[in-house]
Amino acid sequence: DGGITQSPKYLFRKEGQNVTLSCEQNLNHDAMYWYRQDPGQGLRLIYYSQIVNDFQKGDIAEGYSVSREKKESFPLTVTSAQKNPTAFYLCASSIPSGQGAHGYTFGSGTRLTVV
Amino acid sequence: QQPVQSPQAVILREGEDAVINCSSSKALYSVHWYRQKHGEAPVFLMILLKGGEQKGHEKISASFNEKKQQSSLYLTASQLSYSGTYFCGTPDQGAQKLVFGQGTRLTINP
Repeated sequence: DGGITQSPKYLFRKEGQNVTLSCEQNLNHDAMYWYRQDPGQGLRLIYYSQIVNDFQKGDIAEGYSVSREKKESFPLTVTSAQKNPTAFYLCASSIPSGQGAHGYTFGSGTRLTVV
Repeated sequence: QQPVQSPQAVILREGEDAVINCSSSKALYSVHWYRQKHGEAPVFLMILLKGGEQKGHEKISASFNEKKQQSSLYLTASQLSYSGTYFCGTPDQGAQKLVFGQGTRLTINP
């Protein structure tokens, strides 16, 4: 079955460390997204990519970095510059909007905690 | 600009109806609706593409009023499985990304 796989499900980070969250999809979607969700709040966009080797900053990109070397993979690195990284991170993918109206498919998320 | 959802939370008894609204200060060309169970990923429910469009999914339906720049999600004869947080999402920046509302938490009690 096609879908999005995020790993790990839970991640603990010490202050000052960089960590990388994995996101892999086998849906053949061109567009991929990273969102951050804080308790009781909505989804805020960190980075997005419409095509391989290209990506754009979202609303809260500071302290994060991404790469898009392969169509199926869009890893997110949370750097030590991110002051408050504890949150639930969601990866999503979709067919680009220009090809019709399609919803986003989300991964099961990674819960990051700074210890 | 983030769409605004109302109400922020709803508590119902099983079998009752609910309406969740999503409003935008900008022109809307489409609206997405998602449901998220606690600790899980959001699940796509439906997308409305043009003004006046209505869609249904089980006993969950939605309408889109382009002139009023708003969409409403209707849940009829609610079931326990409908519990969760509902998000609307609207396209931004040339429709390359979705901006989500803050969510409406729906609790269904037996």
